[in-house]
Amino acid sequence: GIQVEQSPPDLILQEGANSTLRCNFSDSVNNLQWFHQNPWGQLINLFYIPSGTKQNGRLSATTVATERYSLLYISSSQTTDSGVYFCAVPSFGNEKLTFGTGTRLTIIP
Amino acid sequence: EAEVAQSPRYKITEKSQAVAFWCDPISGHATLYWYRQILGQGPELLVQFQDESVVDDSQLPKDRFSAERLKGVDSTLKIQPAELGDSAMYLCASTRGGKDTQYFGPGTRLTVL
Repeated sequence: GIQVEQSPPDLILQEGANSTLRCNFSDSVNNLQWFHQNPWGQLINLFYIPSGTKQNGRLSATTVATERYSLLYISSSQTTDSGVYFCAVPSFGNEKLTFGTGTRLTIIP
Repeated sequence: EAEVAQSPRYKITEKSQAVAFWCDPISGHATLYWYRQILGQGPELLVQFQDESVVDDSQLPKDRFSAERLKGVDSTLKIQPAELGDSAMYLCASTRGGKDTQYFGPGTRLTVL
């Protein structure tokens, strides 16, 4: 099956800093989702981004499908951005999501 | 904004007991997924429904796990008997279908003692 790897595994930043999270996948995909899992375990949709760039406030994402990677940018980090960020890609056919290894982001006040 | 509902949010049980989790997807969402997330890992699919039919249950441990979606709306995931290794977060997600965004519920955190 498809392999999805994320980097870095852990990231600790001061409040106000910017960060870039990376997601590499081993095969062609027709879409990609980014999620933020908060400390209570809720997975919150950030982006549905099969290709190109999208922005939502302080967050933006870029997927380069031909090179099999996606980037999530977080600007002016806030403590509420802390948590684990996952990217996930679907399998062809049934669209079940294969999740990446996750990046744990900790924002220090 | 419509959300996926799950209950209970937390469940503590002893091994060999039976447990059941409930999920109510977003209204109109035909496809429903149950995922299991072990601490420190990403979620992994257990079972996928399209309306009331199982599309994929290849990763469901069928000797102890069962899932149903009788009327093609809400769904129940059951474990009998529970084992220590079943301790995890159980997440339900739904989508209108096809290549649409999957929306996740708050999850049920299971602890087996």
